[in-house]
Amino acid sequence: AQTVTQSQPEMSVQEAETVTLSCTYDTSESDYYLFWYKQPPSRQMILVIRQEAYKQQNATENRFSVNFQKAAKSFSLKISDSQLGDAAMYFCAYRASGNKLVFGAGTILRVKS
Amino acid sequence: NAGVTQTPKFQVLKTGQSMTLQCAQDMNHNSMYWYRQDPGMGLRLIYYSASEGTTDKGEVPNGYNVSRLNKREFSLRLESAAPSQTSVYFCASSLGQGLNGYTFGSGTRLTVV
Repeated sequence: AQTVTQSQPEMSVQEAETVTLSCTYDTSESDYYLFWYKQPPSRQMILVIRQEAYKQQNATENRFSVNFQKAAKSFSLKISDSQLGDAAMYFCAYRASGNKLVFGAGTILRVKS
Repeated sequence: NAGVTQTPKFQVLKTGQSMTLQCAQDMNHNSMYWYRQDPGMGLRLIYYSASEGTTDKGEVPNGYNVSRLNKREFSLRLESAAPSQTSVYFCASSLGQGLNGYTFGSGTRLTVV
């Protein structure tokens, strides 16, 4: 069974600085998809970024980028120029067989002004 | 566009009571899902429906039933609520094989006393 591990329950970052959230996963598949979701206090789940495993290039979306290390099964999220609005819970997710998303336990990101 | 609509947003039940959580999507997605979110455990899949007329168990199906009423609607029923079912419940949907992730509803906070 695929598993997703987020080893940092909480992280803090100063406004305007850069922070990296870690995620590792376990799978025997060679072709798969990975996602980062943001959950602000409103509880809404918002897709931040996705990565296709067959692509070597790391995905980027404005201030959000990933460091995808397929051999190490690592998929970290980097947030540059952190803003107060980035404060949220962040979930890493793996698209498993049967089109199901498997989520990590989440990392709470706090942004200090 | 409404996206994924869940009702109710909040609910308090007494142990042994039953209730149905409603979910509807207007994006013509074929797959729908029910997750529960608990502190420190991320989101765990309860049931999913890959297409109209089909449903399958996820990771934590015990104590729940589902109905895929039509392509738009996917309901979750608690027949005899237990305190262990106190959680936040999310409905989600995806197009095709979910390669672009899921669209989530805003969640239902359920408390069983």
